[in-house]
Amino acid sequence: DAGVTQSPTHLIKTRGQQVTLRCSPKSGHDTVSWYQQALGQGPQFIFQYYEEEERQRGNFPDRFSGHQFPNYSSELNVNALLLGDSALYLCASSFWTSYTDTQYFGPGTRLTVL
Amino acid sequence: AQTVTQSQPEMSVQEAETVTLSCTYDTSESNYYLFWYKQPPSRQMILVIRQEAYKQQNATENRFSVNFQKAAKSFSLKISDSQLGDTAMYFCAFCSNNNDMRFGAGTRLTVKP
Repeated sequence: DAGVTQSPTHLIKTRGQQVTLRCSPKSGHDTVSWYQQALGQGPQFIFQYYEEEERQRGNFPDRFSGHQFPNYSSELNVNALLLGDSALYLCASSFWTSYTDTQYFGPGTRLTVL
Repeated sequence: AQTVTQSQPEMSVQEAETVTLSCTYDTSESNYYLFWYKQPPSRQMILVIRQEAYKQQNATENRFSVNFQKAAKSFSLKISDSQLGDTAMYFCAFCSNNNDMRFGAGTRLTVKP
């Protein structure tokens, strides 16, 4: 049973560029959440996707956008990259329920903005 | 707004001994869930244990157990018989009604041989 997978593992971009990160959820999960983890800090919630729609959003600017596909996989797009966007980006999957399901995390994508 | 506080940035313990990591949270919700995640140097965030707020019984998972004090809004993690493989960052997290998960700043635990 494959867990949550993310690609690429590492990415180096320059300021002003755009980046796309990808996530495949754990088998049986239909909900994907994205988090940004700056060095030495806890993860910060970016947004959550279910049924191909953004269901919730954290305190992140519109430069951060996403998409969910019919197979439940998801993309995170960041436009006009800033140095402060350098971080580990984590994807987590879960099953959408009326209560809170446990989120399972992928290994993350390390983004470096120069 | 929900906040999670981990007041111990770093801790160390001798192999085979017991260590307790602290976590407090602030919320006005009555139904919520609390989690401890472990993040080793490999970066993979791994679920350690989960506690439903409506359950009075403290969750246990092998060597890991929690002390959940709902009135005090406290959720500590006890690791018994510590092993070298327990060395990692430990994050306490809060989630309610399938909303976004809020994490603490983490505690870096080092298990010494």
